[in-house]
Amino acid sequence: DADVTQTPRNRITKTGKRIMLECSQTKGHDRMYWYRQDPGLGLRLIYYSFDVKDINKGEISDGYSVSRQAQAKFSLSLESAIPNQTALYFCATSDGTSGQETQYFGPGTRLLVL
Amino acid sequence: QQQVKQSPQSLIVQKGGISIINCAYENTAFDYFPWYQQFPGKGPALLIAIRPDVSEKKEGRFTISFNKSAKQFSLHIMDSQPGDSATYFCAASFSGNTGKLIFGQGTTLQVKP
Repeated sequence: DADVTQTPRNRITKTGKRIMLECSQTKGHDRMYWYRQDPGLGLRLIYYSFDVKDINKGEISDGYSVSRQAQAKFSLSLESAIPNQTALYFCATSDGTSGQETQYFGPGTRLLVL
Repeated sequence: QQQVKQSPQSLIVQKGGISIINCAYENTAFDYFPWYQQFPGKGPALLIAIRPDVSEKKEGRFTISFNKSAKQFSLHIMDSQPGDSATYFCAASFSGNTGKLIFGQGTTLQVKP
């Protein structure tokens, strides 16, 4: 959805390179998430942020870092990309405090690490 | 570890048939069970969700059946249509101020005309 945008949509990089994936949202939500999707493994949480000053590791944070530059912006970095980080990456946002609110996903970034 | 197990990995159904996707969870603290639908080239989007105080929830052709004692829940798509062809993810979360979802492995559904 246009409410959550991700750039770039596709990226090819080489092993050892540093890359950044960016996410912006216009929904006014405090909570933002980064997931990776791999065939047969579903969606796995990398990092999540409940506000600008609150960043937490998810299930698979090793090899990744994040920055919450503003309420609307949440970036994911691969400091030194490796081939097994080839995947589809999604940013998501949500609002509320119940833990049962809807998550809104961006269109994804397809990353290939050679 | 995988706390939510989803099956089958892929499913082919004829138009008009019933599609059934199953999920099982381990942690009895889960109390919210959404299903997300993902079309090719798009991000997942919430389809339907259930809480464990009810055994079934229906929205149009989509129904969630929930079995708390067996720790299982399933998505039924009645009168399946080619436009339903997508990847479906079940998920689970804890109540409280977390918002974290644990997703299943996903099921790719193809509905043949």
